[in-house]
Amino acid sequence: SAVISQKPSRDICQRGTSLTIQCQVDSQVTMMFWYRQQPGQSLTLIATANQGSEATYESGFVIDKFPISRPNLTFSTLTVSNMSPEDSSIYLCSVGASSWSEQYFGPGTRLTVT
Amino acid sequence: GQQLNQSPQSMFIQEGEDVSMNCTSSSIFNTWLWYKQDPGEGPVLLIALYKAGELTSNGRLTAQFGITRKDSFLNISASIPSDVGIYFCAGQPRDTGNQFYFGTGTSLTVIP
Repeated sequence: SAVISQKPSRDICQRGTSLTIQCQVDSQVTMMFWYRQQPGQSLTLIATANQGSEATYESGFVIDKFPISRPNLTFSTLTVSNMSPEDSSIYLCSVGASSWSEQYFGPGTRLTVT
Repeated sequence: GQQLNQSPQSMFIQEGEDVSMNCTSSSIFNTWLWYKQDPGEGPVLLIALYKAGELTSNGRLTAQFGITRKDSFLNISASIPSDVGIYFCAGQPRDTGNQFYFGTGTSLTVIP
């Protein structure tokens, strides 16, 4: 499986600001995804990061709030914009060989908004 | 979205005991995955299942893809303290191309 790193590992941010989270993979991967895990909860898919085109967002998530970039097959960023305390969560990137194959997760970014 | 019911929600067991947990859905799934998440870490893939009835082992862990394609089971034999963590199932419905839906998790505590 690929080695996935995320930066930052954690951050404390003020409401109204934005944070960009980076996901780096040590090999080229077809699929990259961004998930949110609220405290004590399960994982919810935010979007699929598409290389060279706009991300595909799931219901309840919009590009203005969570802009995503994927400039190549090993790197993606997720920005959490205009943050509020409700955005306090763990944000995880995952990768997969295809849309139907198993996914591997990065270590996550723990975000606290005050 | 899809509802994945995972049970039990939490378990407290003695070291050496066997553990069983399951995940059920309201629709047919093509793929089932089982993950373990330690505090402060991302989920780690334990087992992937792709066919109804499939039984797959990974060390002391065994998972099965239910015959109805609406459920999956994970068993841990002879538990040890490092088995502590939260276990998540994830399933991919037949009628969606991409998305995996995650269960609510089973928190496992192993008492030495």
